[in-house]
Amino acid sequence: ELKVEQNPLFLSMQEGKNYTIYCNYSTTSDRLYWYRQDPGKSLESLFVLLSNGAVKQEGRLMASLDTKARLSTLHITAAVHDLSATYFCAVDMDQAGTALIFGKGTTLSVSS
Amino acid sequence: ETGVTQTPRHLVMGMTNKKSLKCEQHLGHNAMYWYKQSAKKPLELMFVYNFKEQTENNSVPSRFSPECPNSSHLFLHLHTLQPEDSALYLCAASPGGYDYGYTFGSGTRLTVV
Repeated sequence: ELKVEQNPLFLSMQEGKNYTIYCNYSTTSDRLYWYRQDPGKSLESLFVLLSNGAVKQEGRLMASLDTKARLSTLHITAAVHDLSATYFCAVDMDQAGTALIFGKGTTLSVSS
Repeated sequence: ETGVTQTPRHLVMGMTNKKSLKCEQHLGHNAMYWYKQSAKKPLELMFVYNFKEQTENNSVPSRFSPECPNSSHLFLHLHTLQPEDSALYLCAASPGGYDYGYTFGSGTRLTVV
């Protein structure tokens, strides 16, 4: 059974600080996805990582994938309040793109 | 129009009621999904449809019954639900394959009383 674990589950940050969210998964997969969810809203796709060593950046967020370690990271640089949300990572259930299995999510709160 | 539209946004139903959730996608994608999001659990995959055919039923109780009449519409029929079924039900669509993320709808917040 594929398991996807994120940590931390809750993160309180000060504006301007840096931090990393970790996503570990239990089976071999070359693809990993990051999503953002604002309170009361749906999930928004942030990054699609499709190979070992993939790195993608958008604004203050940077995601990377190490398939050998079965680990993805989401790095936050110089956090701002607008980044407050819940972040989910997800992995292909069977590497055929059939369906994604999600982690529990990391709820990020950025305060001044 | 948004990519994936879900109706209703909120639904309160009794345990003996029958109701349906609707999902419509305007993206021309081949795959559609139902996920359940509860307060203390990760998003749980419920059903997967590819080209209108159900390809995954993730051990979902029979009180949840999906229907996919065409590649643009997906329904979730509900009957004799339990209070623990109260959750946010999310529909998603994707082109299929693995190169793309999913596009999610806004969800239906279901409360079973």
